[in-house]
Amino acid sequence: GDKVKQSPSALSLQEGTNSALRCNFSIAATTVQWFLQNPRGSLINLFYLVPGTKENGRLKSAFDSKESYSTLHIRDAQLEDSGTYFCAALYAQGLTFGLGTRVSVFP
Amino acid sequence: GALVYQYPRRTICKSGTSMRMECQAVGFQATSVAWYRQSPQKTFELIALSTVNSAIKYEQNFTQEKFPISHPNLSFSSMTVLNAYLEDRGLYLCGARAAGGLAEQFFGPGTRLTVL
Repeated sequence: GDKVKQSPSALSLQEGTNSALRCNFSIAATTVQWFLQNPRGSLINLFYLVPGTKENGRLKSAFDSKESYSTLHIRDAQLEDSGTYFCAALYAQGLTFGLGTRVSVFP
Repeated sequence: GALVYQYPRRTICKSGTSMRMECQAVGFQATSVAWYRQSPQKTFELIALSTVNSAIKYEQNFTQEKFPISHPNLSFSSMTVLNAYLEDRGLYLCGARAAGGLAEQFFGPGTRLTVL
């Protein structure tokens, strides 16, 4: 929603290329999580971030609490990376989700 | 590892009837459980946050009268959708978090509600 602005809304990637997703927070967030929603609807945990950077395979994520943004980098995109990626920021009332980025990887 | 189960995975109910969905945390103690709804083509709306031994906090546009929640112990929560109508359809997810307010939240696979 308004607190969490995620961009881009959609992304088309050729296999093997790199790209980045971003979330900006209008209100300072405590922690950030990134998820991949699979076609069945399940949310797969990708990253849980206090301010800092984490890397897992071809994915890397950073959360800068001072500048109020977080990024998710996809390196060497593969077909199985396709899906909708969500960032979510933790506030007192719980996680607030962005609107998602629909990623399509093509051969 | 931390796992969250939800059931049923899919349910269909007639307009005006009610249905109950359940959420179970395995491998950790779910001191807080949050229920979300993802309506078609939308993001996740927080319905309510339930913390053991505290009052359940409902978000604007959601009420206890419509979405009563039970969180009786550290592994189980349930929510009922009362008098379901077309606008209640969507994917209902529960997210569970262990003790410590900053702990990572794990989600179940969701209950997909269709209202006829």
